[in-house]
Amino acid sequence: DTAVSQTPKYLVTQMGNDKSIKCEQNLGHDTMYWYKQDSKKFLKIMFSYNNKELIINETVPNRFSPKSPDKAHLNLHINSLELGDSAVYFCASSMDRFQETQYFGPGTRLLVL
Amino acid sequence: GENVEQHPSTLSVQEGDSAVIKCTYSDSASNYFPWYKQELGKRPQLIIDIRSNVGEKKDQRIAVTLNKTAKHFSLHITETQPEDSAVYFCAVHRYSSASKIIFGSGTRLSIRP
Repeated sequence: DTAVSQTPKYLVTQMGNDKSIKCEQNLGHDTMYWYKQDSKKFLKIMFSYNNKELIINETVPNRFSPKSPDKAHLNLHINSLELGDSAVYFCASSMDRFQETQYFGPGTRLLVL
Repeated sequence: GENVEQHPSTLSVQEGDSAVIKCTYSDSASNYFPWYKQELGKRPQLIIDIRSNVGEKKDQRIAVTLNKTAKHFSLHITETQPEDSAVYFCAVHRYSSASKIIFGSGTRLSIRP
């Protein structure tokens, strides 16, 4: 009965590869997010979608491209992976675009070698 | 843009003692202030929040106080227990259509037995 789920949980890959992370929420929420948490634990928003519409796009390299096929899913595709992309990526959802309580997924630990 | 500062970055307290974590923010229009707890290897989870029209909120051993004039808010944990060991994040949000939650840099709390 997982509320926000992500796959994969771990991702180890070589520099230059392309990879995707998938996220799904079964809470019926309208809004979903991607956060990046670096090795120092800083938690920073990357993107936000509301009902499949992009509403927040932080200064993230173009190599990162989110896609929301429907409001229950938000995927993150990363092209040409770099060492600095190594981090934990958290998906989250909230009831609506006014945010407030964020429900986080379990995280995807990405290691770029 | 909004700036959130959180102190201290690490905190070690004796089991049974109290712990206090403080955050300051810059945007006086911010109106929602949640606190998240992240246990090792887990996802951040909301533990308590406060809105700008309230000065203090308490939930069992956890309390949050807000000083809007000074633009700072604090998390207070009393009678600390081993399971309180985690990283705690404050966050700030302004209620508008395209706003985003800004997280503090986190406080690693360790409870000494």
